[in-house]
Amino acid sequence: GESVGLHLPTLSVQEGDNSIINCAYSNSASDYFIWYKQESGKGPQFIIDIRSNMDKRQGQRVTVLLNKTVKHLSLQIAATQPGDSAVYFCAENVRDTGRRALTFGSGTRLQVQP
Amino acid sequence: GAGVSQSPSNKVTEKGKDVELRCDPISGHTALYWYRQSLGQGLEFLIYFQGNSAPDKSGLPSDRFSAERTGGSVSTLTIQRTQQEDSAVYLCASSTQGATNEKLFFGSGTQLSVL
Repeated sequence: GESVGLHLPTLSVQEGDNSIINCAYSNSASDYFIWYKQESGKGPQFIIDIRSNMDKRQGQRVTVLLNKTVKHLSLQIAATQPGDSAVYFCAENVRDTGRRALTFGSGTRLQVQP
Repeated sequence: GAGVSQSPSNKVTEKGKDVELRCDPISGHTALYWYRQSLGQGLEFLIYFQGNSAPDKSGLPSDRFSAERTGGSVSTLTIQRTQQEDSAVYLCASSTQGATNEKLFFGSGTQLSVL
């Protein structure tokens, strides 16, 4: 399949280092946030999610931090591996809009150097 | 099936022709979504189906775009009189109930190229 996000912001890290991918959102009514990973030619794959009543959630090697004061979301990947190379999207669900579908950001490309 | 299935994986068509894209959601999922992903862009919401409720069509970019979901399962996205700007990856997703705090499961998409 065709690569997506050829003109995306890119984060380049060394294998074994920690990665931090940031996302800003604009709607204070957003109450649910989610991170997806998309490899070339594939659909987005769920990584981790967080509700607005939390400020941190941990998964396997990943942590999501939510700062509602500045409307900022971050994804931390510990001990980054070559298989982590992909495009990462944050998405939010905005309460009170009547729309149930997630709204996605434009994505960040993570490149892991061996 | 185990995941969301989309077909075809690639579609090349000529400007002005109609195309149909198919999505098989995860069995038992009542909510189904279509998104479009242009090169270098995020995912753009198109349409959402939830059970027997009227679909949310608010993301469809023009009246050339339509979608239906038969029997609460398979969905077809139809683009009439295709234009070059319709070239993109069309992604389908499903979720258990369509609640606002549910994660979506995506298919691999259909790469549409309009010549």
